[in-house]
Amino acid sequence: EAGVTQFPSHSVIEKGQTVTLRCDPISGHDNLYWYRRVMGKEIKFLLHFVKESKQDESGMPNNRFLAERTGGTYSTLKVQPAELEDSGVYFCASSQDLTGLADSYNEQFFGPGTRLTVL
Amino acid sequence: AQKVTQAQTEISVVEKEDVTLDCVYETRDTTYYLFWYKQPPSGELVFLIRRNSFDEQNEISGRYSWNFQKSTSSFNFTITASQVVDSAVYFCALSEAGSFNNYQLIWGAGTKLIIKP
Repeated sequence: EAGVTQFPSHSVIEKGQTVTLRCDPISGHDNLYWYRRVMGKEIKFLLHFVKESKQDESGMPNNRFLAERTGGTYSTLKVQPAELEDSGVYFCASSQDLTGLADSYNEQFFGPGTRLTVL
Repeated sequence: AQKVTQAQTEISVVEKEDVTLDCVYETRDTTYYLFWYKQPPSGELVFLIRRNSFDEQNEISGRYSWNFQKSTSSFNFTITASQVVDSAVYFCALSEAGSFNNYQLIWGAGTKLIIKP
């Protein structure tokens, strides 16, 4: 079974440009999360989708970031316009919905990340 | 508020030494989960362990062991007889039983472990 995939693996853009990151979750996983790690700092939660709905976007830094998950499958994270402080590694994770089952922790499976560099 | 603190920014040891990575967490929930992840130089996040708040048993997996102590809100990670391949950034993380299946992870800042040959 394929794991979580992310595209591109690396992206180098100039300040002011637009970049779109893509995440393909594991098939059947309703939950999708975006996180990012800015250089030298902790990994931070950005947002959470359940199917196509944004359930929690409290971690989105500002309105230059737009996440979508049309059809509840893959997700995109667009940064427009990109700023220097957006540089970092963006991780995507997906999980099943095991609510109601014993030990129903919804394990998150992580993608390899997209390294974004804004010059 | 939830918080995870990894006070050790970087640790450097010589191969075969034992090393302990510290993790202290804060949460008001009674149900929560603790994790350790490894991020090798290649960049991906590798899951190491998950512990729920009702299970304080320590765990050993090969050279790795974890010490969970609710009394001190700590979840420390020890590598015995370290090897060069253990060099990586190690993250401790916390997840609470969220609403709408939101189990977002709260991460520590990470500890960079350098194992010298």
